[in-house]
Amino acid sequence: AQSVTQPDIHITVSEGASLELRCNYSYGATPYLFWYVQSPGQGLQLLLKYFSGDTLVQGIKGFEAEFKRSQSSFNLRKPSVHWSDAAEYFCAVGPDPYMDSNYQLIWGAGTKLIIKP
Amino acid sequence: NAGVTQTPKFQVLKTGQSMTLQCAQDMNHEYMSWYRQDPGMGLRLIHYSVGAGITDQGEVPNGYNVSRSTTEDFPLRLLSAAPSQTSVYFCASSYASSPYGYTFGSGTRLTVV
Repeated sequence: AQSVTQPDIHITVSEGASLELRCNYSYGATPYLFWYVQSPGQGLQLLLKYFSGDTLVQGIKGFEAEFKRSQSSFNLRKPSVHWSDAAEYFCAVGPDPYMDSNYQLIWGAGTKLIIKP
Repeated sequence: NAGVTQTPKFQVLKTGQSMTLQCAQDMNHEYMSWYRQDPGMGLRLIHYSVGAGITDQGEVPNGYNVSRSTTEDFPLRLLSAAPSQTSVYFCASSYASSPYGYTFGSGTRLTVV
């Protein structure tokens, strides 16, 4: 079955500390991978995406993610978090849209990031 | 400002009532979709459209109808609201030439009592 697992429902990090949010996926074909962020009361915003090529991808707001095929993981990282990073983060996976015209994303349940001052 | 506009932002319905959640985009996006977001479950696709006059079901379509008469608008209709439809609803759109390049609306929080 195709699925996305974000093992941590909540993560608390001190401001200025490093962050890693975990994402594991189960997917039969070559995955397209995404991280989205949702600030309180807002819609979702794309942080970064991986389609192919370099397995370390850079996104907005200083985030990066590393695709590890052998581990079926796409973990999100940031070297130093800011209070404004407090939000909920979603990992998602989908098929190659140019191979599957009925492409749809499969979403993880989200990880809520709490920043300690 | 270009983007996806959802109305209303909040709504309380009684069981059995019907209503329409509105979604409009001004970016000339071909693709539009509706998701519901429930705690601990991420986003689940309700219905989507790849262009005016074309709609299809997503993962959880029961109890919802959609239509796409124009490129700009993609309303979601709840035919007879049930407490299980209490959720936050998001509309998203993208260009067909930019798969997954979604722009999300800010959501509608619906409570069915």
